Amino acid sequence: AQSVTQLGSHVSVSEGALVLLRCNYSSSVPPYLFWYVQYPNQGLQLLLKYTTGATLVKGINGFEAEFKKSETSFHLTKPSAHMSDAAEYFCAVSPTGGNEKLTFGTGTRLTIIP
Amino acid sequence: KAGVTQTPRYLIKTRGQQVTLSCSPISGHRSVSWYQQTPGQGLQFLFEYFSETQRNKGNFPGRFSGRQFSNSRSEMNVSTLELGDSALYLCASSLAGTYGYTFGSGTRLTVV
Repeated sequence: AQSVTQLGSHVSVSEGALVLLRCNYSSSVPPYLFWYVQYPNQGLQLLLKYTTGATLVKGINGFEAEFKKSETSFHLTKPSAHMSDAAEYFCAVSPTGGNEKLTFGTGTRLTIIP
Repeated sequence: KAGVTQTPRYLIKTRGQQVTLSCSPISGHRSVSWYQQTPGQGLQFLFEYFSETQRNKGNFPGRFSGRQFSNSRSEMNVSTLELGDSALYLCASSLAGTYGYTFGSGTRLTVV
């Protein structure tokens, strides 16, 4: 079975500071990993994904994540936080390598302090 | 191009009633998946359809069902509503051979 653990349900950073959102996964097969963002009263938007190949993945809005198999981690980072980054972020793993039956983490709410 | 469209956006129903939610995927996307989002349980997979066939199903009771039409539009139905069915229901579509969904804005169902 696959699972995702997001450490920290709430994270606050100052505008301009580094954003680090943590995600650890458990998967019995090589994982396909995703980060999604959800703004209030909206659906989820795909930020980035790791399928195969390069372990450092760049996404939209300046975010990136690094797949570390030895640490079973896929942490999301952004060098400089912007007020518009305030949202909820979800890490997800696919058990089949595709889009089927994503298992999501419980989410991390990011607050940006002006 | 148009995104994933879910209707209605908001719905209030009474316990015991049934409800049908609709989802129109992005043009050309033949895979449609449904997720339930609640504060307590988070995001949980309901089912996935591809070319009118259910390919995967999550761990939900039989009261939850869905279908997909030949134009890839999908509906999900919940019968005999319970208070615990109150949630944001999200539909997502994807293009065959790619990874990652495009989600709709969801239907917020409130059961009273």
